Amino acid sequence: DAGVIQSPRHEVTEMGQEVTLRCKPISGHDYLFWYRQTMMRGLELLIYFNNNVPIDDSGMPEDRFSAKMPNASFSTLKIQPSEPRDSAVYFCASLQDVATLTDTQYFGPGTRLTVL
Amino acid sequence: AQSVTQPDIHITVSEGASLELRCNYSYGATPYLFWYVQSPGQGLQLLLKYFSGDTLVQGIKGFEAEFKRSQSSFNLRKPSVHWSDAAEYFCAVGANTGFQKLVFGTGTRLLVSP
Repeated sequence: DAGVIQSPRHEVTEMGQEVTLRCKPISGHDYLFWYRQTMMRGLELLIYFNNNVPIDDSGMPEDRFSAKMPNASFSTLKIQPSEPRDSAVYFCASLQDVATLTDTQYFGPGTRLTVL
Repeated sequence: AQSVTQPDIHITVSEGASLELRCNYSYGATPYLFWYVQSPGQGLQLLLKYFSGDTLVQGIKGFEAEFKRSQSSFNLRKPSVHWSDAAEYFCAVGANTGFQKLVFGTGTRLLVSP
């Protein structure tokens, strides 16, 4: 398997622009997670989906952030409008099934976002 | 709510020396505990995990960790560090209702000197 795929790997945009980050989870995984990593706050869970349905979005910082998962193989995280404080590395992770106690989250390589 | 503390921001170890990275957690019940490693520009890779049973857990790349309930700790160890181990290491805790929600520590950056 190719693992979790994220695109783009790097994104530079100007304040006020819309940004869309993309994630393809590992095939057969039921859960998908979006994380944000910054120097100040470390790694934070933003939202996660189970079978394409958002389960917990309590980590989404504000209304400018939205996430969708239209099907089992694709998810997007959108920021509109973007602000400089959104600059961070955004990770996507997937998990097969929490009923399998030996399972774990697999992380993608991340998207480094810079908002000027 | 669970939380994780990694008290060391940076650690420098000579190549070939032993390593111990500290992790303390806060959680009311038996936690699920994880160690991840992040190389520069890369995502997080799981080193090892503890759910139950033997409190000494073996992982990949020669790492091990020991769960000590009395100390609320899950320290990561390696007997002999290689230059390729230089990376950032994250401890994480998940609730025993499932590990959908992991809380990560702030990480420890390991530097390996020749």
